[in-house]
Amino acid sequence: GQQVMQIPQYQHVQEGEDFTTYCNSSTTLSNIQWYKQRPGGHPVFLIQLVKSGEVKKQKRLTFQFGEAKKNSSLHITATQTTDVGTYFCAGPSLNSGGSNYKLTFGKGTLLTVNP
Amino acid sequence: DVKVTQSSRYLVKRTGEKVFLECVQDMDHENMFWYRQDPGLGLRLIYFSYDVKMKEKGDIPEGYSVSREKKERFSLILESASTNQTSMYLCASSPRDGYNSPLHFGNGTRLTVT
Repeated sequence: GQQVMQIPQYQHVQEGEDFTTYCNSSTTLSNIQWYKQRPGGHPVFLIQLVKSGEVKKQKRLTFQFGEAKKNSSLHITATQTTDVGTYFCAGPSLNSGGSNYKLTFGKGTLLTVNP
Repeated sequence: DVKVTQSSRYLVKRTGEKVFLECVQDMDHENMFWYRQDPGLGLRLIYFSYDVKMKEKGDIPEGYSVSREKKERFSLILESASTNQTSMYLCASSPRDGYNSPLHFGNGTRLTVT
């Protein structure tokens, strides 16, 4: 079945450094979503990318969708301690019965920030 | 704001017990999902439902069943709990075309099976 791979698994940075997490799918995606989960919290939707080559920004966060719609990245400029958490990408895939779509999540990247 | 409420934040059960995890959403969403989250494994889909009384297996349905008798409520059932089902369980909902819409997650239920 379709797989969504995310790297790195962990990233520790000094406050003020940049951070990037990468997401790769084994199949072409109609869209990709990004979520953030704070420690002890639940995943919260950040953004959805739909178009090939799309770039979206949210303050210090930049999201990209690859031209082939099989990969995506999230880049954080000048990290802050409030950025700590696990970042997940997720893409749609057909369920085993082939009749319905579901979201498949990457395993996430845990970001820790040293103040 | 969408609210997804899971009935328990923490739950401790014994091996062999039947366990019910309840989830309620207040936004009239068609789609509801149950995921489990384990360190290093990310979020894995157990079951989902696109309509009342409808259910579909996700990636790891073994040992679980679900019930959706009303649109707003989606229950996860562990027929006979085992220690390998100790995990964080997350319920989520989304409007129609769920794969194209953001998921709204509940706060999670941390289940420990002893």
